[in-house]
Amino acid sequence: GAGVSQSPSNKVTEKGKDVELRCDPISGHTALYWYRQSLGQGLEFLIYFQGNSAPDKSGLPSDRFSAERTGGSVSTLTIQRTQQEDSAVYLCASSVDSGRSDEQYFGPGTRLTVT
Amino acid sequence: AQSVTQPDIHITVSEGASLELRCNYSYGATPYLFWYVQSPGQGLQLLLKYFSGDTLVQGIKGFEAEFKRSQSSFNLRKPSVHWSDAAEYFCAVESQAGTALIFGKGTTLSVSS
Repeated sequence: GAGVSQSPSNKVTEKGKDVELRCDPISGHTALYWYRQSLGQGLEFLIYFQGNSAPDKSGLPSDRFSAERTGGSVSTLTIQRTQQEDSAVYLCASSVDSGRSDEQYFGPGTRLTVT
Repeated sequence: AQSVTQPDIHITVSEGASLELRCNYSYGATPYLFWYVQSPGQGLQLLLKYFSGDTLVQGIKGFEAEFKRSQSSFNLRKPSVHWSDAAEYFCAVESQAGTALIFGKGTTLSVSS
């Protein structure tokens, strides 16, 4: 079946511009996660959605970052006024629910380059 | 605070030799532990996980890992490495809130012929 998909696969943007990254989770998965993978910091958690509950935004690095999940499915991560340090691969994952030990299935990521 | 340490940034192993990748965690309660692999240009794939029971867990692709509470370790092993195992390996622990994985910095495995 289809896995987690993300678009675009690559995004180059100028410093100061806003960008939107999209994630389509596996159908039927109620939990959705965003992570960031960068050379200096490794893999970092950004935000978590579970059903209709309030998201866990504890990993967002600044108020320039926001995310929403519409209809319990597709999610969009928005970065406003991008900075060079935002350059990274942004990974989305989904799981059946947030029960402990549930496997998170990862998408291929969006590589963001801020020039 | 919860954390994961992978002491080895890069390891090179000869094809057919055995492999052990180290992982140490810091966690206040019973940890939920995972190993993921990321091949070049690929997404993260789960190799195995531990959350209770037998401390030796078997995973895909011939990998296994052993949970040792006394050493706060969850080392990944494979008896005979294949060239296709060259990739980056990440150890992770689930956060206490259960809403995120906390990853180590990763170990890059190279396989020599």
